[in-house]
This record gives sequence, structure tokens and C-alpha cells, in this order.
Amino acid sequence: QQPVQSPQAVILREGEDAVINCSSSKALYSVHWYRQKHGEAPVFLMILLKGGEQKGHEKISASFNEKKQQSSLYLTASQLSYSGTYFCGTEIGAKGRGKLIFGQGTELSVKP
Amino acid sequence: NAGVTQTPKFRVLKTGQSMTLLCAQDMNHEYMYWYRQDPGMGLRLIHYSVGEGTTAKGEVPDGYNVSRLKKQNFLLGLESAAPSQTSVYFCASSYHRDSNQPQHFGDGTRLSIL
Repeated sequence: QQPVQSPQAVILREGEDAVINCSSSKALYSVHWYRQKHGEAPVFLMILLKGGEQKGHEKISASFNEKKQQSSLYLTASQLSYSGTYFCGTEIGAKGRGKLIFGQGTELSVKP
Repeated sequence: NAGVTQTPKFRVLKTGQSMTLLCAQDMNHEYMYWYRQDPGMGLRLIHYSVGEGTTAKGEVPDGYNVSRLKKQNFLLGLESAAPSQTSVYFCASSYHRDSNQPQHFGDGTRLSIL
């Protein structure tokens, strides 16, 4: 049931763009995105509900394709502060509401 | 406003010892969760609670017990610690089961079992 994130790791130069994907084999009710810096707690970025919603947070945005059971996180004009591990958390179906199953994470490194 | 507080932050145990990890939140959240995080595995749900006096199993519940006697506290117990339980443990809370509610995480407890 664990969603699959791709890529596992990505290295960027400051100002470059990146896309992180999260795919599930189960029907999704919602997708949550979190960022975790080394040695720290995960920090909430955004939530997408079923319905193909796209949301934005500064230069970070995300989409949710309910039919394909996947979500993508878009980071544009990356900054050094974007470095960290990104996790998607999925609510599987209506019965799974309130309980998140997290992907294995995507490690993002932004270099000057 | 402290948010989610985990106690202790670090602990080293010997195999077979028992211990309890404490999670406290001051946001009046209904839902609370315990996760473990291992390299390359992401966050895996151990147990969770949808309200005071209720608990439920997550993905990896074996070897752990939990209790939620008070709304603000969620305890995770290891009755007989094993080296496979060496991990970083995170507690989280959320306001409600509604899907538009984020989870707020504590700073984690780093547990080593020798």
C-alpha cells in the first residue's frame, strides 16, 4: 500500500526546477506533502483533495490526478532552503481518512 | 505554544528492557499518531488514536503498545526492546479526521537498542 515516489534523489543548481512524483496502487482520497530537513521533524507543505486540485505554496505547487492515482510536486526556481527530503502521505479511500501512508521519500539537494 | 512535545529526545536501551515514550500536544487535537522512521523506509505508522480512550493499529504495530488516557497525551510502550526497534520515533497530531487537516510533528526520539 506504500506509495512509490520518484525520483529517489535529485541534485539541482540554484534556480533550476524539479518535479517529484507520488504514485499509488490504491484509490486515493487525498495526498499530503511534507519536507524534512536532516535531523528535524517533517514540516507540512500542502494537502490536495480528490478532484484534480492544484495548489501552490510560494514557488512550490502540486497537482493531484485522481484517475491516475498520483500526485506531483513542482519546485520552480529552486533555492538553497529547498534542500531536504520530501515525503508524500496518502489517504487511501474514504475508510482511510485521517490515516496517512507515507512514501519512502525523495532527497533533494540544491547546490549554489 | 509548544505544539507537539516528545520525551525523551534520546535513549539507549539494552535488549529486553522496557520503556515508554511520551507525546504531549497542547493544540486540543483529536487525532494522534506514532511513526517510526528508518533509512530509506520513510515514515511508517505504528499506532494511532482518534480520541481519548481509543487506539488502533497502524502498519507496523508488533512489539509496541499505546495508551491515550488523556486527550493531550499519547504514550508508546516497548515491553521487551529488540535491536530491530532501533529507530527514530515521531509523534504527530491533527485536529480532526477531515482530509484538509495537516499533521503536526514532534522533534522525534532517537532510540538505540543494543
